[in-house]
Amino acid sequence: EAQVTQNPRYLITVTGKKLTVTCSQNMNHEYMSWYRQDPGLGLRQIYYSMNVEVTDKGDVPEGYKVSRKEKRNFPLILESPSPNQTSLYFCASRLTGEEANQPQHFGDGTRLSIL
Amino acid sequence: RKEVEQDPGPFNVPEGATVAFNCTYSNSASQSFFWYRQDCRKEPKLLMSVYSSGNEDGRFTAQLNRASQYISLLIRDSKLSDSATYLCVVANAGGTSYGKLTFGQGTILTVHP
Repeated sequence: EAQVTQNPRYLITVTGKKLTVTCSQNMNHEYMSWYRQDPGLGLRQIYYSMNVEVTDKGDVPEGYKVSRKEKRNFPLILESPSPNQTSLYFCASRLTGEEANQPQHFGDGTRLSIL
Repeated sequence: RKEVEQDPGPFNVPEGATVAFNCTYSNSASQSFFWYRQDCRKEPKLLMSVYSSGNEDGRFTAQLNRASQYISLLIRDSKLSDSATYLCVVANAGGTSYGKLTFGQGTILTVHP
């Protein structure tokens, strides 16, 4: 089954404790992206990757890092989480970065609470 | 001004009603347009793409007005299962700006018996 898998689904942690949210897709997609969703603000892009070893900042990259060492994986790293990073996070992928008319597949979401 | 603006609602309608959502976008270079559906605490899923000539998929009709930079979604004969948040999504052209998707904040629809 074609899917985007995120882990963990839920996490409560404390300020300053490094955490990683994993994302994996099995569709051989080149393009992957991370979003955060907050009430009243919609989905905002954090980082994206056009292909292996090619990553770039989205609209709200501060406090986050990503890597794309393999095509299927695109982890999101919070080196020193803060309470303002409490949010619902979605990983997404699509076949290529340029072809925006292709459907974008989302993971189930990760709800992070930073205390 | 937000790049993509939607009326957040909520829209509360009875079963069988017709309901319409509107969306405006600010970037005249936008090339692709979509409606996504998001159920509570779930991931967004593509509902339909929006084509220049307008398009229909069963009870759903999408329209695009490039001159006014305006997109709409019409749902006829609403079902209880249509209750969700509807996200208007706009994509830049490819090339240097790649196909970035910009999401509206969503319009909440509740269909009641």
